[in-house]
Amino acid sequence: EADIYQTPRYLVIGTGKKITLECSQTMGHDKMYWYQQDPGMELHLIHYSYGVNSTEKGDLSSESTVSRIRTEHFPLTLESARPSHTSQYLCASSRQGTGELFFGEGSRLTVL
Amino acid sequence: KNEVEQSPQNLTAQEGEFITINCSYSVGISALHWLQQHPGGGIVSLFMLSSGKKKHGRLIATINIQEKHSSLHITASHPRDSAVYICAASTGTASKLTFGTGTRLQVTL
Repeated sequence: EADIYQTPRYLVIGTGKKITLECSQTMGHDKMYWYQQDPGMELHLIHYSYGVNSTEKGDLSSESTVSRIRTEHFPLTLESARPSHTSQYLCASSRQGTGELFFGEGSRLTVL
Repeated sequence: KNEVEQSPQNLTAQEGEFITINCSYSVGISALHWLQQHPGGGIVSLFMLSSGKKKHGRLIATINIQEKHSSLHITASHPRDSAVYICAASTGTASKLTFGTGTRLQVTL
C-alpha cells in the first residue's frame, strides 16, 4: 500500500482565490512529481523535484508553483485560481533505484 | 500523433474473459509502466518492465523492445478489474514519462 497522501481530495472555489494542494509521502523518496489530468485525457507532468530545495517545471506549462522544503512534503500553489485551472492534480513519488511510481489519490479542483 | 498509443480505447468484457490491452511507443525507452486508474481517480502502479515478462496474480505484462510494443493481459477477468489502464514510456527518469490516453475496461457479470 502506497504511503502518499493528497489533500484536499475535492475543492470547489471561486476565481481569484489562492489555493494550496498538499502532498506528503512517508517512504523517504527523493523524487516527487505533480501531474495534471483533464477528464478522459492523459497525464501531463507540470512539476518535479529530485530532492530538498530542488524543483523543476515539467512538460506542460502551468501557472502553479511548488516548493520542497522537506523530503516528505511537496505542496502545489495557485496564487489566483481561474476556471482554466479546473482539473485533477495527481502527486507521485518514485523509489530510488527501481523508479517504481507511487501515486496519491488525486485532488480534483473546480474553479467557478 | 502521440508517442505512446494504446488500443483499444474502450473495452467491455464479460466476467471470466481473457483480456489484452496493447501499447505501442515510438521513442527509445528505459522502462515501460502499466498503471491502473479507478473511477475515484487514484492511480496504482501495476508493472514496470524493461524486457521480457512480469506476472502478478491474474495480471501479466510483456514487452518486445525490438517491436516497441507491450501488452497487458488479465486472466479470468472480474468486475473489480473495471478501471482505466494506462501505459507510460520512460526515456530516463520518471520525469521523462510519456503517457498513453488509457484503455477504459468494463467487466460485466
